[in-house]
Amino acid sequence: DIQMTQSPSSLSASVGDRVTITCRASQSISSYINWYQQKPGKAPTLLIYDAFSLQSGVPSRFSGSGSGTDFTLTISSLQPEDCATYYCQLGYNTAPLTFGGGTEVEIK
Amino acid sequence: QVQLVESGGGVVQPGRSLRLSCAASGFTFRNYGMHWVRQAPGKGLEWVALIWHDGSSKYYVDSVKGRFTISRDNSKNTMYLQMTSLRAEDTAVYYCARDINSRWYDLWGQGTLVTVSS
Repeated sequence: DIQMTQSPSSLSASVGDRVTITCRASQSISSYINWYQQKPGKAPTLLIYDAFSLQSGVPSRFSGSGSGTDFTLTISSLQPEDCATYYCQLGYNTAPLTFGGGTEVEIK
Repeated sequence: QVQLVESGGGVVQPGRSLRLSCAASGFTFRNYGMHWVRQAPGKGLEWVALIWHDGSSKYYVDSVKGRFTISRDNSKNTMYLQMTSLRAEDTAVYYCARDINSRWYDLWGQGTLVTVSS
């Protein structure tokens, strides 16, 4: 199975900062990666699919990039409501749709 | 509105069984593959099982193979997860999620908590 390794596991940044989260696949997955946001006590919500496509209704400060094995989720200007845990997910069309370990983002 | 609602969670003793349900509304359920994803307390997300839109194929994470069974009733717009031989490590919030192209989840339920404890 393909493994997804996220880093860092947590970070602390100030409002307005640019934040980058990375995800590395154990083998090439083309652009088949998705990103989710999960706020405490809530279900995850889809942010980005297919590496860089923004899900409808998601603020444009979120963006995704990468291909092959290395991918990033970027928040261009961190807002208080972005305090959450972010997960990458293998989006290849075969089970299991493995998740990364998560990155907890907090506001300084 | 478009939503998924899980039910059936609770406290169960090790070795016992439990059935979760996921009721869909606001969209054509039979057109979508569906998944169960779980999250142990304080931990990350773990994919559990997938069922194709018509129920013809099913897939499981290795740790639940032979113990969990995913199914669906498209006439009732409902998906199920029958869990048997439950273990402490199955304790988690169980989410159902709607599949898009077998590639990502665009809709999640609110989750139902399963606690396996004596």
